[in-house]
Amino acid sequence: AQKITQTQPGMFVQEKEAVTLDCTYDTSDQSYGLFWYKQPSSGEMIFLIYQGSYDEQNATEGRYSLNFQKARKSANLVISASQLGDSAMYFCAMREGRGGNTPLVFGKGTRLSVIA
Amino acid sequence: GAVVSQHPSRVICKSGTSVKIECRSLDFQATTMFWYRQFPKQSLMLMATSNEGSKATYEQGVEKDKFLINHASLTLSTLTVTSAHPEDSSFYICSARGGTGVTNEKLFFGSGTQLSVL
Repeated sequence: AQKITQTQPGMFVQEKEAVTLDCTYDTSDQSYGLFWYKQPSSGEMIFLIYQGSYDEQNATEGRYSLNFQKARKSANLVISASQLGDSAMYFCAMREGRGGNTPLVFGKGTRLSVIA
Repeated sequence: GAVVSQHPSRVICKSGTSVKIECRSLDFQATTMFWYRQFPKQSLMLMATSNEGSKATYEQGVEKDKFLINHASLTLSTLTVTSAHPEDSSFYICSARGGTGVTNEKLFFGSGTQLSVL
């Protein structure tokens, strides 16, 4: 079974509008972390936001917020006031358990295109 | 913030040659580094977990004799693609977890290496 599911291969959004990128996850661990990364065409992976499984409040980082619905096992990324520079691939990822030896598992990604 | 440097960014080689990719944590010590591979328009797939001073742990289906990983120090891990073939052409990217507290949760990524085998 997929650990991370991103159902939107591609999304379009008008500049200055908000957009939600979907992510659902599957784990039986009580402790886990959820991440969103942005990958522009250059290939680098840019960290956007993190949500811990025990965090009660939704994470926010500037224009990025994570809509964490634990019971539904969803961790959608909301980008407010989209900018042309937001056009990129966006990956949702999960770290299960604790400890520094645990890698991230990534979803298949969503390609976001911001239209002027 | 923590920085991971990866070199080279791009390499083109002939089939049968070996290619070494370096991944350095510049301002923190990384006892564990991860190597991922990404084919065009696909997600990042974990290849192996590199542990300083011990053997790497490879994911199922990844040939350890083909993808040699050495993590000889707390700031350097290398991936050597031995006897490269065209099907090894891919984007290889390393990552490390650094810092403490919330920062420790975050994986820092190198800028990646685009390998093209002719």
